Amino acid sequence: EVQLVESGGGLVQPGKSLRLSCATSGFRFHDHAMHWVRQAPGKGLEWVSGINWNGNTEGYADSVKGRFTISRDNDKRFLYLQMSSLGGDDTALYFCARDRTSWLGALDIWGHGTMVTVSS
Amino acid sequence: DIQMTQSPSSLSASVGDRVTITCQANHDINNYLNWYQQKPGRAPELLIYDASKLQTGVPLRFSGSGSGTHFTFTISSLQPEDFATYYCQHYDYLPYSFGPGTKVEI
Repeated sequence: EVQLVESGGGLVQPGKSLRLSCATSGFRFHDHAMHWVRQAPGKGLEWVSGINWNGNTEGYADSVKGRFTISRDNDKRFLYLQMSSLGGDDTALYFCARDRTSWLGALDIWGHGTMVTVSS
Repeated sequence: DIQMTQSPSSLSASVGDRVTITCQANHDINNYLNWYQQKPGRAPELLIYDASKLQTGVPLRFSGSGSGTHFTFTISSLQPEDFATYYCQHYDYLPYSFGPGTKVEI
C-alpha cells in the first residue's frame, strides 16, 4: 500500500524554525517528484514547494522562498521541509504529496498532514 | 506567476444534478491542469489530470475539459458522496498554484 506519513509539526514561536518529515512506503520513491502543500485553517490549498526525483531541481512559493528548504533522502525514502523565520501566516496543515511523474505532474497521493501552529 | 480563478465559489445542488465548475488561468497553461476533491478533515484526492484524464479508480461521472486558459469540470449526476470542495491546480511550471476552490453543498 502506498503511504505518506508526515511528522514534525507542532506549536512553535514566531521567528523559530521547524523541520517536517514525510516517511514514504509502497512505491519507488526515487521515481517520483515530491511536494509540500499547506492549508491554513478554513482556507484553501497553497502549494509550498516541490523537488524533482533526484533532488537536483526544487521550487518554492514566493511566500516561503528564502525561508523554507525542501530536501529528500532517496535511500531512506524521506521527504523533508526545513522551515525558518516562521510567522503566523505559516500556521497551517502541511501535506506531503507524491507527483505522478519525476517532475511537474499531478499530485496523486497525499498524506494526512501535520499541523504547524506559529504562536507565542 | 500563474493565477487561477474558479467559479462559482460555492453552489447548491441536489443528488442527480449535473454540476459544472470552471477554472481560468491568467496565462496559457496548455492542458497542464488538475482537479482535486477535498472533503472536510481529509486530504485532497486527485480526480482529473492533464485537464481531461480520469485518475485510476475515479468514477466516470467525473470529467474535465479545456486547454489554454479555460477549463471545465463536470459531475454528470451528483451523488451524496460528492458534496465536497473542488480545486483546480496548474502544473505548467513552478510555482504551482491552486484555484480558490468551489464548495458543492446540498
